[in-house]
Formats: sequence, structure tokens, C-alpha cells
Amino acid sequence: GAGVSQSPSNKVTEKGKDVELRCDPISGHTALYWYRQSLGQGLEFLIYFQGNSAPDKSGLPSDRFSAERTGGSVSTLTIQRTQQEDSAVYLCASSPGASSYNEQFFGPGTRLTVL
Amino acid sequence: ELKVEQNPLFLSMQEGKNYTIYCNYSTTSDRLYWYRQDPGKSLESLFVLLSNGAVKQEGRLMASLDTKARLSTLHITAAVHDLSATYFCAANTDKLIFGTGTRLQVFP
Repeated sequence: GAGVSQSPSNKVTEKGKDVELRCDPISGHTALYWYRQSLGQGLEFLIYFQGNSAPDKSGLPSDRFSAERTGGSVSTLTIQRTQQEDSAVYLCASSPGASSYNEQFFGPGTRLTVL
Repeated sequence: ELKVEQNPLFLSMQEGKNYTIYCNYSTTSDRLYWYRQDPGKSLESLFVLLSNGAVKQEGRLMASLDTKARLSTLHITAAVHDLSATYFCAANTDKLIFGTGTRLQVFP
């Protein structure tokens, strides 16, 4: 079946602009995660959603970052007033449930470049 | 707070040689994962280790887990060029905490 998909694959934006990154999880997966991969910081957890529960936002680096998950499926990560340090690859993952026993499957990522 | 340390950060090895990548984690974790990442690509799951003493092998890669020592190893046997990639370990509670990654380069 189809895996996790993300769009766009690449995004170049100017400092101060807002961007939206999209993630389509594997069908039927109830848990969805966002991670960021950047030079010098490695792979960092940002946020995760599980069903209708309140999301765990503990990894979001600032209030410029927010995420939604509509209808328990597609998720959008929004970065407002982008800064150069936001440049990174943003990875989305999904799993059948939020239990730590559920393996996470990763999408191809969105490479964000802030000029 | 769960922390994951991985070493070495960079590994250059000759084809045919053996080597081990180490992954230490700071607190109890339900599972230990190993991922491979090729340049410009996403993460590919290699192994999921569930319990103390777990050992899994796929081709030239073998992963093991010692929960008492909070240590996992990824052993490479008779390396080949196709294994060149970055390898990450990750431990989790409800979210994955990644190690820094080991960039492996295998040369003839």
C-alpha cells in the first residue's frame, strides 16, 4: 500500500514569510508525528497526534510553529514568520497507534530553505 | 528525560572489514530502533528490538539489545560499498528520540 507522503518535497521561502507543510499518513494509522532534521541538531521530535486526543506539542521550538490534523488524517505543519534557522528537512511519520510498541513509518520529508 | 548517544559519528571502513556502532540510552525505553538514511532520502527501518537480549540479523547487519546496560549495537560484517549510509538508533517512550547518527563510508 501507499506509504507516508509529504508535500512539497522542496520549499524555498524568504525570511519572514509563512509556510505550510503537508503530511498524508498511511491509511488507518491513528498516530502522526512531525520531526525536524537539521545540521547540528540531528533529528528532533516536534509534535505528535493520536486520534482525537490533544496533541503533544512539547517539541515545538517556538510559538511560530503550529500543526493541525484534520479529520484524523492529513496534517499540516505551519511555520509563521520563518527564520533562517528554520531551514531543515521536516519529516512526518505515522504509526498504527501511539503506543510505544507501534513502529513509525517515515515520509520522504520536505526540505525547507529560508533565504 | 530520555537521551540517546551514538558513536562513532563517522566511520570510514574498508570493504570486507567488520565494525560495530554503539547506541546508549539514558532511561528505560520500550523499544530500540535502527534506521538507515541514504543522502537526500528519508529513514528506512532496519530493526526493531523489543526486549533484553534481542538479536536480529539482516544480511551483513546484526543488531542487539542489552536493556540492563541500556546499550544497543549494530554490527557490520564484511562491509560492502552498498552499506554506505547514515545509521540512526532511536529509543522511545511515546515519541522517538534519535541518536546523532553514524555516517558510514565503505571504500574498496
